[in-house]
Formats: sequence, structure tokens, C-alpha cells
Amino acid sequence: DAGVTQSPTHLIKTRGQQVTLRCSPKSGHDTVSWYQQALGQGPQFIFQYYEEEERQRGNFPDRFSGHQFPNYSSELNVNALLLGDSALYLCASSPDSPDDTQYFGPGTRLTVL
Amino acid sequence: GDSVTQMEGPVTLSEEAFLTINCTYTATGYPSLFWYVQYPGEGLQLLLKATKADDKGSNKGFEATYRKETTSFHLEKGSVQVSDSAVYFCALSDQYFGNEKLTFGTGTRLTIIP
Repeated sequence: DAGVTQSPTHLIKTRGQQVTLRCSPKSGHDTVSWYQQALGQGPQFIFQYYEEEERQRGNFPDRFSGHQFPNYSSELNVNALLLGDSALYLCASSPDSPDDTQYFGPGTRLTVL
Repeated sequence: GDSVTQMEGPVTLSEEAFLTINCTYTATGYPSLFWYVQYPGEGLQLLLKATKADDKGSNKGFEATYRKETTSFHLEKGSVQVSDSAVYFCALSDQYFGNEKLTFGTGTRLTIIP
């Protein structure tokens, strides 16, 4: 049973560019959450998708947007990249049921130069 | 808003030593509490969780008790091993169920010396 997968593993962009990160949830999971983890910090919640809709959103600007596809996979898009967007971006999936937990992928390391 | 405060690191211990990593939280409702572990180059793995007051979560020799009166969820292990070296994150979810948004602490880096 494959766990949560993310692509790419690493990415280097320059300021002002746009980036798309991808996530495939664990089999049987229909909810996907995205987190940003800056170096030396804990992950910060960006948003969560369920049934192709954004269900919750953290304190991130509109430059951060997402999408969920009918097969439950998800994309995170960041426009007009800033140096401060350099971080590890983590995707987590979970089933939409009580008493369960979020399973995290290995992350995508984004470097903005 | 909700927040989690973790013991500052890094923490360095000898093998077989006793481990405590402190975690306190602030939440308006009745959060579920979690400890996640991050090994080098990997994503987060759930270590243990507790969903209500006085619950004790345990896994791989680690345990933590949900203390509502002190708003704490300290992580303990009686005898650590070199393989326990990792970064540990305390987290809470602001709904009863664990698949809601997670609020994390800043993490505690643990190094175990043989």
C-alpha cells in the first residue's frame, strides 16, 4: 500500500516565478492538507481540500492556491514567489472519518533564489 | 488562536537515559493532542495521540498523558536508543477528530549518544 507521495522532491525557482507542487494521497483517503515548514520551524497549515473544495484555510496570502482532482490528488500553486517562500512543503492525507490521523508525505523542498 | 509551546532544543542524551520533552498548549475548545516524529530527510510520522483529558497515548516505548488542568502533553520514554534521534513535534487539532487542521510546536531535536 503506497503512502502519500509528493513530487518533485526538490525545486529551485527565482523570485517572481510560479510553482506547482503535487500530492497523491494514501489509498482510501479523500482529504488532503498542505503545510509549509520553514527551516528549524514546525509546519504551518496552508489549506485543506475535501470533495474538490477548499474546506479550511490558514493564514496564507492568496498567492497560495490549490486544487483537488476527482481522484483525490492535489496541487499546491504559489504565484509571484518570494525569498521567504523557501521551505519544505508537506502534504498530508486522511479519510473523512472520525478518530483518524493525518499521514504525511516526504515533502517537496522549494528554494527561491 | 490555538498555539503549542515546546521545550527548546536541541536535547542530547546518552543511550538508556530517561527522556522528557515538555509541551503545553492553548486552545479554545477540546483539542486532540499529538506527537509527531521527523527523521532526517523524511516526512512526519505520527508517534502517538490522545483525544480527551486523562487519556494516555503510547507507542514504541514513548508515552504522553493529556493533562487538561495543566494544558500539557509531555512526551516521555524510560530508556532511549540511538535510533530515537530525530526531531519531535507536539501538535493539536482544533476539532475532536484528528483529520482537522494541525497546529504544531517548533519542534525539539533529540540526539542520542551511544
